[in-house]
Amino acid sequence: KNQVEQSPQSLIILEGKNCTLQCNYTVSPFSNLRWYKQDTGRGPVSLTIMTFSENTKSNGRYTATLDADTKQSSLHITASQLSDSASYICVVSAAQAGTALIFGKGTTLSVSS
Amino acid sequence: NAGVMQNPRHLVRRRGQEARLRCSPMKGHSHVYWYRQLPEEGLKFMVYLQKENIIDESGMPKERFSAEFPKEGPSILRIQQVVRGDSAAYFCASSSTGAFDGYTFGSGTRLTVV
Repeated sequence: KNQVEQSPQSLIILEGKNCTLQCNYTVSPFSNLRWYKQDTGRGPVSLTIMTFSENTKSNGRYTATLDADTKQSSLHITASQLSDSASYICVVSAAQAGTALIFGKGTTLSVSS
Repeated sequence: NAGVMQNPRHLVRRRGQEARLRCSPMKGHSHVYWYRQLPEEGLKFMVYLQKENIIDESGMPKERFSAEFPKEGPSILRIQQVVRGDSAAYFCASSSTGAFDGYTFGSGTRLTVV
């Protein structure tokens, strides 16, 4: 069964600290993986997209890694800011068609001052 | 480019009423996808439409739910005879090619059934 599991479910960190969010998937055949940020009351916004051949991709203070062998991905946030408080969702595509997207439940990050 | 526009942002309906949710895709996008997000749950695919055609409705409940994407105007997700369990956030996404690249979400419609 195609599944995407994220951990931790929630996380609280102090402003300025780093954190790492985890994503394990069993989606097959794998096409690509994307991390989304979803602010409360808003739609998800794409942070990074990674294909099978990519190991690391950065977008500002966000760095995503992908290990296609172990089917794991991580999202590392450096020097966290209050505005990073949101839900971070891992989404895996099993094919190019949009209907094959598998969403994780997300990690809720709270950054406090 | 205003992005994917959904309205209304919030919708309250009494049990048994009809709910109509609208989604205007990004300019140039002809592929529309609807998702439902229950509290504490991940987004779940409902239906995929391309202008005037339903491509995949495998995630849509067989009863009370329908979707359309007419040649002119926004895509509509229609829920008839709503029940409390329909309370959720409904998100629409659009793309230009039907592929994952360029996938853009709207801000969603929060439906509350009282």
